[in-house]
Amino acid sequence: DGGITQSPKYLFRKEGQNVTLSCEQNLNHDAMYWYRQDPGQGLRLIYYSQIVNDFQKGDIAEGYSVSREKKESFPLTVTSAQKNPTAFYLCASSMIGISYEQYFGPGTRLTVT
Amino acid sequence: AQTVTQSQPEMSVQEAETVTLSCTYDTSESDYYLFWYKQPPSRQMILVIRQEAYKQQNATENRFSVNFQKAAKSFSLKISDSQLGDAAMYFCAYRRVNTGTASKLTFGTGTRLQVTL
Repeated sequence: DGGITQSPKYLFRKEGQNVTLSCEQNLNHDAMYWYRQDPGQGLRLIYYSQIVNDFQKGDIAEGYSVSREKKESFPLTVTSAQKNPTAFYLCASSMIGISYEQYFGPGTRLTVT
Repeated sequence: AQTVTQSQPEMSVQEAETVTLSCTYDTSESDYYLFWYKQPPSRQMILVIRQEAYKQQNATENRFSVNFQKAAKSFSLKISDSQLGDAAMYFCAYRRVNTGTASKLTFGTGTRLQVTL
């Protein structure tokens, strides 16, 4: 089945630790995205990538880092510098072009205490 | 910068009735895309419907239709014959038309729809 997988579904970390969220897609999409969802704030873009070994900051990139070593994979690291890391994180992918929609993974709920 | 506003945090509809969710947006672009996404309790984001700004005709997908008013920058979603499975958060989203590059979605804050018997 083609789709986007994110693992794990729930993640718990202690404050001060870095944590990496996984995102894999087998849709052969060029572009991948990371969004953060908080209650009452909708989704906000953290980072996106159009091609392997290239990525751009979104609206709220501070405290996050990404890599894109393979077309299928776009992991997100939440660093200890992120002040409020507890949130729901959604990964998405799309073809690049005028009219292509973004398809979303099932998300990861990160709780930092 | 583009902004998307959903002024109804919560809405309720009876099963089989019709409900309209509101969305307004602000942009200086003349061509763009608008979307409605559904997020059920599973939290999986599902695309409901898409509208291209250059098309005057309102998009329709089965029981879902939009009322796109470009001059007013309004993009409402109408759900007809509501079903229990329609209960979810609904997000309105905007995307620029970019050729050859990735383009982010700008989301509204969402409307939680309850469907009652």
